[in-house]
Amino acid sequence: AQSVAQPEDQVNVAEGNPLTVKCTYSVSGNPYLFWYVQYPNRGLQFLLKYITGDNLVKGSYGFEAEFNKSQTSFHLKKPSALVSDSALYFCAVRDIGGGYQKVTFGTGTKLQVIP
Amino acid sequence: EPEVTQTPSHQVTQMGQEVILRCVPISNHLYFYWYRQILGQKVEFLVSFYNNEISEKSEIFDDQFSVERPDGSNFTLKIRSTKLEDSAMYFCASEQGRNTEAFFGQGTRLTVV
Repeated sequence: AQSVAQPEDQVNVAEGNPLTVKCTYSVSGNPYLFWYVQYPNRGLQFLLKYITGDNLVKGSYGFEAEFNKSQTSFHLKKPSALVSDSALYFCAVRDIGGGYQKVTFGTGTKLQVIP
Repeated sequence: EPEVTQTPSHQVTQMGQEVILRCVPISNHLYFYWYRQILGQKVEFLVSFYNNEISEKSEIFDDQFSVERPDGSNFTLKIRSTKLEDSAMYFCASEQGRNTEAFFGQGTRLTVV
């Protein structure tokens, strides 16, 4: 089985400060990992993914994430937060070793960037 | 930029009625999905569809639900005999291949009254 945990329901950060949104995962095989962002009353928008290769992945809008196999984590980061980054962020995993095509989402973390 | 489109954006139906949610995936994509999200909470997998058949389905996807790709472009989710707890945002998604990311539509908000 595959699962994702986002331990923080909400993260508050001041504009201009670095931000981190945490994610840990559990899979039986190798993971494909994703981050999506959801703005109010909108769909899920893809930010970045880790499939293989470099553990540091860069994505849209200045976001990046670091894959850490030993800690089974894939935290989302941004060096300098913008008020417009305020949204709901979802981490997601696909367990290739399990033969799954579906993606399992975490419970989401609400990011609030304070002006 | 190609996108996944869903119609309608909002559907209100009476309990016990049947609804059909429609999706047009991105044209060269091969994998298709339905997910649902209740009240801005967790996004739950319902079903995946590949090569004109269901490839995976969740426990939520029981006999009340069915999917179809009737004409090679549309991808529909039918919910028979709707219940109050079926009220949710339903998202369609499509993917080009196994190692790619899913692109999501804007969702259909289903309200069962």
